Amino acid sequence: NAGVTQTPKFQVLKTGQSMTLQCAQDMNHEYMSWYRQDPGMGLRLIHYSVGAGITDQGEVPNGYNVSRSTTEDFPLRLLSAAPSQTSVYFCASSSTRDSPTEQYFGPGTRLTVT
Amino acid sequence: AQTVTQSQPEMSVQEAETVTLSCTYDTSESDYYLFWYKQPPSRQMILVIRQEAYKQQNATENRFSVNFQKAAKSFSLKISDSQLGDAAMYFCAYRSMIFANTNAGKSTFGDGTTLTVKP
Repeated sequence: NAGVTQTPKFQVLKTGQSMTLQCAQDMNHEYMSWYRQDPGMGLRLIHYSVGAGITDQGEVPNGYNVSRSTTEDFPLRLLSAAPSQTSVYFCASSSTRDSPTEQYFGPGTRLTVT
Repeated sequence: AQTVTQSQPEMSVQEAETVTLSCTYDTSESDYYLFWYKQPPSRQMILVIRQEAYKQQNATENRFSVNFQKAAKSFSLKISDSQLGDAAMYFCAYRSMIFANTNAGKSTFGDGTTLTVKP
């Protein structure tokens, strides 16, 4: 049981490049989320999904796209990277059956945009 | 929208002593969840303790306990018998009910409190 995995761990992009951050979970969790964490700040919600085929925007969705074709995977796409997107990105998953619904976090991806 | 405020950017405590980290939140929802997470230098987010808003009893997990004041919208974390391994950033988090009409399970985090433990 690997929990929540994220790849890559580190990434450097040039302004304007696009890329996809991968997130996968093997706990059969319906709910998945993407967050970004800027220095000295808490996590801010980018996008979330309550199940396969269903996604919605969080607090800071601009510049990011998501899709959820399977229960296991929830990739985050940066369409045209900007220096303001330099951050650490966390993926999280949780069951919708447990209460209270603890989120399980991946190890994070440190992204630098130059 | 919900907001979470941690008014103490940094706190320090002597090993074996007790420290309390503050958290206040704002919401119009009546049912929700509250969490404290620990983030050590490894960046991994680790759940410390959780509280359901409908429960009046304060949650306790070994040396960690909370003081949940629903009317005051306050959710503080008390760490007893502090250990060197408790040194980390601590985040308070609010989560809407999964099946809420809006905000379905969305989480809001505070900006964190860095806890230093002195030997």
